[in-house]
Amino acid sequence: RKEVEQDPGPFNVPEGATVAFNCTYSNSASQSFFWYRQDCRKEPKLLMSVYSSGNEDGRFTAQLNRASQYISLLIRDSKLSDSATYLCVVTPLTGGGNKLTFGTGTQLKVEL
Amino acid sequence: SQTIHQWPATLVQPVGSPLSLECTVEGTSNPNLYWYRQAAGRGLQLLFYSIGIGQISSEVPQNLSASRPQDRQFILSSKKLLLSDSGFYLCAWSQGGEKLFFGSGTQLSVL
Repeated sequence: RKEVEQDPGPFNVPEGATVAFNCTYSNSASQSFFWYRQDCRKEPKLLMSVYSSGNEDGRFTAQLNRASQYISLLIRDSKLSDSATYLCVVTPLTGGGNKLTFGTGTQLKVEL
Repeated sequence: SQTIHQWPATLVQPVGSPLSLECTVEGTSNPNLYWYRQAAGRGLQLLFYSIGIGQISSEVPQNLSASRPQDRQFILSSKKLLLSDSGFYLCAWSQGGEKLFFGSGTQLSVL
């Protein structure tokens, strides 16, 4: 089983739709979680951290389910500019930047 | 504010040729520095990381090496490239924590 698994997609959604991605992780010791966004042939950029209580940043909501070992990203009112690949990242409690495990990403395509 | 510069953006090299990719960070001191590779359809793979000048940790055995001659400079090298070295190479930095900030990447094609 991979340490971090994501549905590669693509998720094709109309503009204005709500879309959600899940990411499962295998290491129960994982403590820190992030979502990164990566545009085609560009570098990943930190989108948001994922906190235990769940957190929201504008149209984006991230949630953590420790019991089932997954995190989710919900995007409301999708924009064309949201089209990108979304990478899930996890790290254990004792990890630093060298302990991050990246998922392979979920591709989102927002269409007119 | 902190910035990270990575070059070149694209590179086409013949098999057996040497490689040198450079990355510099501005606006911070003593950053942790990283080299990642992203192959098509695969997740980011950590190649090297460094917590200080001259301190390099290698994560996977491979045909590549890294050096950190200055606090904010990180170099990825190879003496002889292989076809399997093709990929998207990303330099990144963090200030001791887990949030990474990436350079713009180098698309390397070995032919």
